Amino acid sequence: QKEVEQNSGPLSVPEGAIASLNCTYSDRGSQSFFWYRQYSGKSPELIMSIYSNGDKEDGRFTAQLNKASQYVSLLIRDSQPSDSATYLCAVRGSGRRALTFGSGTRLQVQP
Amino acid sequence: DADVTQTPRNRITKTGKRIMLECSQTKGHDRMYWYRQDPGLGLRLIYYSFDVKDINKGEISDGYSVSRQAQAKFSLSLESAIPNQTALYFCATSDPSGINTDTQYFGPGTRLTVL
Repeated sequence: QKEVEQNSGPLSVPEGAIASLNCTYSDRGSQSFFWYRQYSGKSPELIMSIYSNGDKEDGRFTAQLNKASQYVSLLIRDSQPSDSATYLCAVRGSGRRALTFGSGTRLQVQP
Repeated sequence: DADVTQTPRNRITKTGKRIMLECSQTKGHDRMYWYRQDPGLGLRLIYYSFDVKDINKGEISDGYSVSRQAQAKFSLSLESAIPNQTALYFCATSDPSGINTDTQYFGPGTRLTVL
């Protein structure tokens, strides 16, 4: 079992819809959770960080963390074609000194 | 100016050659990381350093070495490059203090091709 798992996609949504991206992790004691966006050939850029159970909202983005079920999700409201990218989930496991990244979900927003 | 810079941005080399990728940062962060990215495999950690004297192997360190010359500089070397080291390489930094602990900030990447 991979430490951090994401569906590779592509996830295709129409413009204006809500995109829902999911990530599961194997280490129940994981501490920190991140979503990064990466455009093709570019470096990852931080979208959201979340550290405690529940929802965290920032503009059109909402991160949801459920430690009991070991998943973290990212919702993108009013999706725009410019949101088309690969979204990477990253987790710091218990006793780990660095992040572990999932392989990413490719999102396509259709105009 | 970018906070995290990487040189070179692109490099083509031949099998068996030694190559060094350099990373510099002006963010004042103590922690630095090297990742490689291959299509469909996400980011995989090669080495990381929490200060000049604290260097650690990541999940795929074989065939690589690093040097932390100063707080702001962290170099990755391929002693004898092989074709399966062709990948996109990223340097990242993080600051262990404050509320954004563990958040990593990435450089622009180096595209390395080994022929």
